[in-house]
This record gives sequence, structure tokens and C-alpha cells, in this order.
Amino acid sequence: AQSVAQPEDQVNVAEGNPLTVKCTYSVSGNPYLFWYVQYPNRGLQFLLKYITGDNLVKGSYGFEAEFNKSQTSFHLKKPSALVSDSALYFCAVNELTGGGNKLTFGTGTQLKVEL
Amino acid sequence: DVKVTQSSRYLVKRTGEKVFLECVQDMDHENMFWYRQDPGLGLRLIYFSYDVKMKEKGDIPEGYSVSREKKERFSLILESASTNQTSMYLCASSFRGLAHEQYFGPGTRLTVT
Repeated sequence: AQSVAQPEDQVNVAEGNPLTVKCTYSVSGNPYLFWYVQYPNRGLQFLLKYITGDNLVKGSYGFEAEFNKSQTSFHLKKPSALVSDSALYFCAVNELTGGGNKLTFGTGTQLKVEL
Repeated sequence: DVKVTQSSRYLVKRTGEKVFLECVQDMDHENMFWYRQDPGLGLRLIYFSYDVKMKEKGDIPEGYSVSREKKERFSLILESASTNQTSMYLCASSFRGLAHEQYFGPGTRLTVT
């Protein structure tokens, strides 16, 4: 089975500084990787995905992610953090099942951006 | 814009009651999913459906059942609610295929007393 790991429960960063939220994956075959964000009391919102091609993927709200095959990582990044980026972030991998496909999520990383 | 709606934002039920959570999507997606979210455990897949009347168990199906009679609607059923089913329940939908992202509803916070 495919899996992803988010090694940090929480990341703290000052507003204006770059941020990184880490994700590593374990898959057989080509990985299909996703990042989602969840604001308080809301559902998850899709940020970006890696399917194939460029290792640097750009997404919503100024976020990007770097796919690194040798390190089996897919870290989420943003050059300059905003207080409004404070939220719960999930990494996920898509995999085939008997009849379709499903996402397997990491346990999430709480990002806190402070003034 | 894709819209996934869930029947209730907040729900309080008593132990032993039968509970229905409904999810509707308007994008003609083949796949629909039910998750529960608990602090420290992330999202765990309960059941999903890849076509009308088709379903597949997720990671934690015990105590739950599902129904998909129409393509746009996916129901989660708690046959006899228990306190350990108190949780946030999230519905999602997507097109079939590994390249497609899932779209999520706002969630239902269920409390079983």
C-alpha cells in the first residue's frame, strides 16, 4: 500500500519568512501526490498536485511544492509566509483500488504564522 | 465551481440511534468518499464509491454502511450510533483516475451522547 508521512505535527514561522512543510512518500510505481489545506471548521481545499513533469509544482495562494524522487519527498513551500496561511496542511498520495482510486492522507501539519 | 454539500454542519444524536449523513456533488464525478477526521489521526477513509450502487470498504468501515442510488448522492449510515463515532465527517468527490484531485464538502460535526 502507498503511504505518506508528515514528520512535523506543527511548524512555526514568522510572517514574511519562507515556510516549508515536509512530506515523504512510499509508493510502488509512479507517485501521484497532492497537498490540501484546511482552515478551522472547514473542509479541505486542494492546493496543488504532482503527476509528472517539472519537479517544481505551483499551486494556489502562492504555494509551491518540490518533488524529489531520490529523497522520496514532496515538501510544500512558500517564499514569504502570511498570518492568513495559518492552517492545517495535509499531504496525500493517490492509489488504485479494486474498482477505482483513493487518496491516503498524512496525519497533517499545523502551520502557525506569527507576526 | 465544484460544489460538494453535506446535509448538516452539526448533528447531535443519542447512543443507539440510526444516523444518516448525506452528501451531494454537482460535478458529475464518478467517485465519492466518506472520511472521518479526528485530532492526531488525520483523515481516515470509511467507504467510497466509484459508481452508482458500487462501493468499497476503506480503512475503518466497521459500524458504518453506505448507499449510492444516484450518481450525485452518497449517504453514510450509522446503524446504531455509539459515542466512539463522535467525530468530524467529511465527504469528497472526484473524477476517476489517479491524476484527479478530490473536492471536499464543509464537514458534519457529529456528537453522539
